Amino acid sequence: AQSVSQHNHHVILSEAASLELGCNYSYGGTVNLFWYVQYPGQHLQLLLKYFSGDPLVKGIKGFEAEFIKSKFSFNLRKPSVQWSDTAEYFCAVKPKVGSGNTPLVFGKGTRLSVIA
Amino acid sequence: NAGVTQTPKFRVLKTGQSMTLLCAQDMNHEYMYWYRQDPGMGLRLIHYSVGEGTTAKGEVPDGYNVSRLKKQNFLLGLESAAPSQTSVYFCASSYTGTDGYTFGSGTRLTVV
Repeated sequence: AQSVSQHNHHVILSEAASLELGCNYSYGGTVNLFWYVQYPGQHLQLLLKYFSGDPLVKGIKGFEAEFIKSKFSFNLRKPSVQWSDTAEYFCAVKPKVGSGNTPLVFGKGTRLSVIA
Repeated sequence: NAGVTQTPKFRVLKTGQSMTLLCAQDMNHEYMYWYRQDPGMGLRLIHYSVGEGTTAKGEVPDGYNVSRLKKQNFLLGLESAAPSQTSVYFCASSYTGTDGYTFGSGTRLTVV
């Protein structure tokens, strides 16, 4: 079965620091990749996604992620975090085999706390 | 445009009681999903549906049942609630199943 690993459980950063959250997946075929964000008390919202093409994808609020196929990774980055980025971040993977009938597999999430 | 609506938002149940969580979407999405979110466990798929009249088991289906009688609704039932089912439940939907999901606001369920 596919799995998604987010190695950092909780990351604490000061405002203006750079962010990189790791995501690795275990699946040998082609995949669609996603990052979701969940602000405190809210539902998950799509941050960015990768289907094909340029492996560096840009999302909302200054986030970007890079797909490195050889490393089975899809790390999330932001050059300078703000207090409002405090949230939980989830990586998700969907194998392309099986079209829409294979649900997304989510990682366990990384909680980001940004302090002043 | 309401998106995905979950009712109720909060509920407290006693052990052994039953209840149904309703998820409704107005985006004509084919695919619908029920996840539960627990601290340190991320989101775990309970059941999902790839179209009206279909349901399938996810990662943690035990103790839950679902129905998709209408395309826009996906119901999650707990026949005999247990404290282990205390969780936040999220419904999601997708048009193609391959694009991103749209999530509802969640139902916080406590079983005492």
